Formats: sequence, C-alpha cells, structure tokens
Amino acid sequence: DGGITQSPKYLFRKEGQNVTLSCEQNLNHDAMYWYRQDPGQGLRLIYYSQIVNDFQKGDIAEGYSVSREKKESFPLTVTSAQKNPTAFYLCASRTRGYGDTQYFGPGTRLTVL
Amino acid sequence: AQSVTQPDIHITVSEGASLELRCNYSYGATPYLFWYVQSPGQGLQLLLKYFSGDTLVQGIKGFEAEFKRSQSSFNLRKPSVHWSDAAEYFCAVLNAGGTSYGKLTFGQGTILTVHP
Repeated sequence: DGGITQSPKYLFRKEGQNVTLSCEQNLNHDAMYWYRQDPGQGLRLIYYSQIVNDFQKGDIAEGYSVSREKKESFPLTVTSAQKNPTAFYLCASRTRGYGDTQYFGPGTRLTVL
Repeated sequence: AQSVTQPDIHITVSEGASLELRCNYSYGATPYLFWYVQSPGQGLQLLLKYFSGDTLVQGIKGFEAEFKRSQSSFNLRKPSVHWSDAAEYFCAVLNAGGTSYGKLTFGQGTILTVHP
C-alpha cells in the first residue's frame, strides 16, 4: 500500500534530550512537510523540503532540525533548544504540479517529561 | 500574507441535521482551497479541494463546499450529519506562488460534536 508512515506513534523523552521523529513515504512525492499541532492552534509549519538535499524553514523552525538525504525520508529532530516540545507532530508529502495536494501521515505524539 | 479564519471553534448538531462549517480566507490571487478532517489522535484526511472551475465542489463522505469569491469564503456543508462525522475540521489555503509554493496555511479548526 502506498502512503506515509510516521514512527513511533507515541514518544516520551526527558527534558534536555534530543529526539528524532521518523517520516517515510512511498508515494514518490517530491515535497515533504513537518507540522506541529497544539490544541486550538491548528497546524503550524516547522520545515519543508521541495526536493532532495534541500529544505526551508517554516513558521516555527526554532529548536528543530531536518535532513532530506533520500526522496522517501524526511526525519525531524526536536532539539533541547525547543522550549515547549510536547505536541502532536504531523508529516505530509505532496505531488507536484497543477492539482497537487498534501497527504498526511498518522502523526507522532511527543511528550517531554 | 495569506490567512484562514474558522470563526467557530466548536459546533454541536443532532444526528440527521444539516451542517455548515465556515471558512474565510485572505489571499492575493485566486486561491486553492482545501478542507481536511481529523479524528482524535489521527492524521488529516482530505475531504475536498477547490482549484478552479465550478464553485460548488463535491467531496468524500457526502460533503460539499462552495467557493464564494465576493465573500472570501469556502464553507463546508453536509445535508444530514452522521454520528461518525464527529471530528475536527480544518480549512486551508495553498500558497501557489514564489519560493513558498506548496505551503498550506491552516485555520484553527472547528470541532464537531454530534448528538444522537
């Protein structure tokens, strides 16, 4: 089945530790995105990548880092510099061209203790 | 800068009643608009999208939305709500120009509760 996978579903970390969230897609999409979701705030864009080996900051990139070494993979690292990392994180990918649409993975809930 | 406003944070309807969720957008050119639905703890599922053409767009699960340029609105409707429609709904506008092409700006979401 084609789709987007995010692992793990739930993640717990101690304050001050870096943590990496996985996002993999087999849809052959060029562009990939990371969003953060907090109650009542909708989705906010953290980072996005239009093509392999290239990525851009979104609206709330501080305290996060990404890499895009393969078309299929776009991991997100939540660093210790992120002041309030507890949230629900969603990965998405997009087709290109007219009619393109973002498709979302199931999400990872990160809790920092 | 583009923006999306969903004026209703929470809506409650009875099963079988009609539904309308409001969405207003701000965008400098012809907008590309989306509605997504999210069940608790899950990812977002695309309900429908508007790119051009007919301003009344049909989607999955019996939903439709109407694009009204004069009102900068893209309201989501369903004639008869089912209990399984209880979820959170997000409206979004696509940035279709420049280096930020493909970015989505989301509204804050509307939580739908369905009473039996």
